[in-house]
Amino acid sequence: AQKVTQAQTEISVVEKEDVTLDCVYETRDTTYYLFWYKQPPSGELVFLIRRNSFDEQNEISGRYSWNFQKSTSSFNFTITASQVVDSAVYFCALSELDNFNKFYFGSGTKLNVKP
Amino acid sequence: DAGVIQSPRHEVTEMGQEVTLRCKPISGHDYLFWYRQTMMRGLELLIYFNNNVPIDDSGMPEDRFSAKMPNASFSTLKIQPSEPRDSAVYFCASSLTHNEKLFFGSGTQLSVL
Repeated sequence: AQKVTQAQTEISVVEKEDVTLDCVYETRDTTYYLFWYKQPPSGELVFLIRRNSFDEQNEISGRYSWNFQKSTSSFNFTITASQVVDSAVYFCALSELDNFNKFYFGSGTKLNVKP
Repeated sequence: DAGVIQSPRHEVTEMGQEVTLRCKPISGHDYLFWYRQTMMRGLELLIYFNNNVPIDDSGMPEDRFSAKMPNASFSTLKIQPSEPRDSAVYFCASSLTHNEKLFFGSGTQLSVL
């Protein structure tokens, strides 16, 4: 079974729209970490955020915000007032207690922001 | 400060040939990872090293794949012999310490004809 599911394969929005990228994870561990990475057209994956399982506080960084809900095993990512430069593939990832260095990546969501 | 450096950026080879991918991690990073990205399977961890020692190679597809890290500043991923199904983007990543964020290289786009 997939440990990380990103059900949205591709999303298209118009600039300045808000968009939420969904991430649902599966683990039996009580201690784990969740991540979001961005892969722009240049190809290199860029780290966005890391959240541990004991910290359910939502995080905001500029136009980016993350909503972590253990009750629904979700770690969703919202971009407010999207811009063309936000166009990329976004990956959610999980690492678990038995091996924190083994990241399970979701299949990614391709975000297209049109001018 | 230089990031993770991979070479070559693109490699086109014929089936049966040996392919060597190279990676220079960020200086001071203790962990080095090799990932493969394909449309079908997404991002897969192939192997990772801690202080130049291979820790987990369970993701290496088969004996045709091998990876080495002779020193803290260099790693190679070798495929011998290569097959068309090995065509993918291969990423190298490094992290400062245990369970830290990964810094990825630009990847090597491998095409095996």
